[in-house]
Amino acid sequence: EDQVTQSPEALRLQEGESSSLNCSYTVSGLRGLFWYRQDPGKGPEFLFTLYSAGEEKEKERLKATLTKKESFLHITAPKPEDSATYLCAVRGSGAGSYQLTFGKGTKLSVIP
Amino acid sequence: DSGVTQTPKHLITATGQRVTLRCSPRSGDLSVYWYQQSLDQGLQFLIQYYNGEERAKGNILERFSAQQFPDLHSELNLSSLELGDSALYFCASSVLPEADTQYFGPGTRLTVL
Repeated sequence: EDQVTQSPEALRLQEGESSSLNCSYTVSGLRGLFWYRQDPGKGPEFLFTLYSAGEEKEKERLKATLTKKESFLHITAPKPEDSATYLCAVRGSGAGSYQLTFGKGTKLSVIP
Repeated sequence: DSGVTQTPKHLITATGQRVTLRCSPRSGDLSVYWYQQSLDQGLQFLIQYYNGEERAKGNILERFSAQQFPDLHSELNLSSLELGDSALYFCASSVLPEADTQYFGPGTRLTVL
């Protein structure tokens, strides 16, 4: 069974204070690791897909990296508008290959 | 805006009732997924359809059912509702059936009283 664990559960940063969110995963044959951003009461918004260890993707102040056991979402000089819950999900190659398995998310608060 | 639409935005009903949630995928997407999100469980996959056919089932209760119509919109039917069914229900869509990048709709908030 695929499993995703995100840490920390919550993170409070001052504006401009860079940090990283962690996503540890256990999956049978990784077919993709996905990062989403979710604002309260809204649907998850797609950020990145990573497919293989060593891959990196960037978008504005966010950079996602992938190793064989975990992924990091690095946030550089965050702004208050970056406050949201960040979700990590994996797709494996086993019986559940049609579905994504999500972690419970990291709630990020960026204080002005 | 992801291009996925869901109606209604909010639904308040009583225990024992039946409701239908509707989803229209992004233009060109053939695959639709339904998820349930509650405070303590996170996002849980319920069921997937691809071009009208059921492709995968997750943690979907027998009281819940879904279908995808020829115009590719999908409906999730929830019956004999219980208090514990109160949650956000999201629909997502993708081009391929293999759960590649999924784009989520705004969700339907269901409250069962």
